[in-house]
Amino acid sequence: EDQVTQSPEALRLQEGESSSLNCSYTVSGLRGLFWYRQDPGKGPEFLFTLYSAGEEKEKERLKATLTKKESFLHITAPKPEDSATYLCAVSSGGSYIPTFGRGTSLIVHP
Amino acid sequence: DAGVIQSPRHEVTEMGQEVTLRCKPISGHNSLFWYRQTMMRGLELLIYFNNNVPIDDSGMPEDRFSAKMPNASFSTLKIQPSEPRDSAVYFCASSPGRQGPSYEQYFGPGTRLTVT
Repeated sequence: EDQVTQSPEALRLQEGESSSLNCSYTVSGLRGLFWYRQDPGKGPEFLFTLYSAGEEKEKERLKATLTKKESFLHITAPKPEDSATYLCAVSSGGSYIPTFGRGTSLIVHP
Repeated sequence: DAGVIQSPRHEVTEMGQEVTLRCKPISGHNSLFWYRQTMMRGLELLIYFNNNVPIDDSGMPEDRFSAKMPNASFSTLKIQPSEPRDSAVYFCASSPGRQGPSYEQYFGPGTRLTVT
């Protein structure tokens, strides 16, 4: 059974204070690791897909990296508008059904 | 593209009543998912359709829940009878699945269900 653990559960940063969110996973044959952003009262919004260890993807102040056991979402010089819950999910083997982590709630103070 | 469309956005009903949630996936996507999200349990998959066929409904809590996808552009999730513990936000998501290069999902805005 696929497992996804995200840490920390909550993170408070000052504007401009860079940090990283962690997603540890256990799967049998990784098909893809996904990062989503969820704002209050909205559905999760797709950010990145990573397929293999060593892969990196960037979008504005966000950079996602992947190893064989975990993924990091690096946030460089965050702004208050980056405040949201960030969800990690994995798909494995022949399944198109992702397993989601519980998320990290990020608050960036001005 | 309008994205995934869900209706209603909010639903308040009394225990024992029937509730029907609706979803229109993104055109061209062949996979559709229904999720339930609560503070206690996070995001839970209820059912997954591929090409309008239910593939995995192991997440459906009990017989009170049923889902249909009569065509590629419409799906419903029905709860009958509803109970207070069904109160949650219900999301519909679609994915290009096998037809696409990857398997990311695109979520609708959700339906906030309150059962009193």
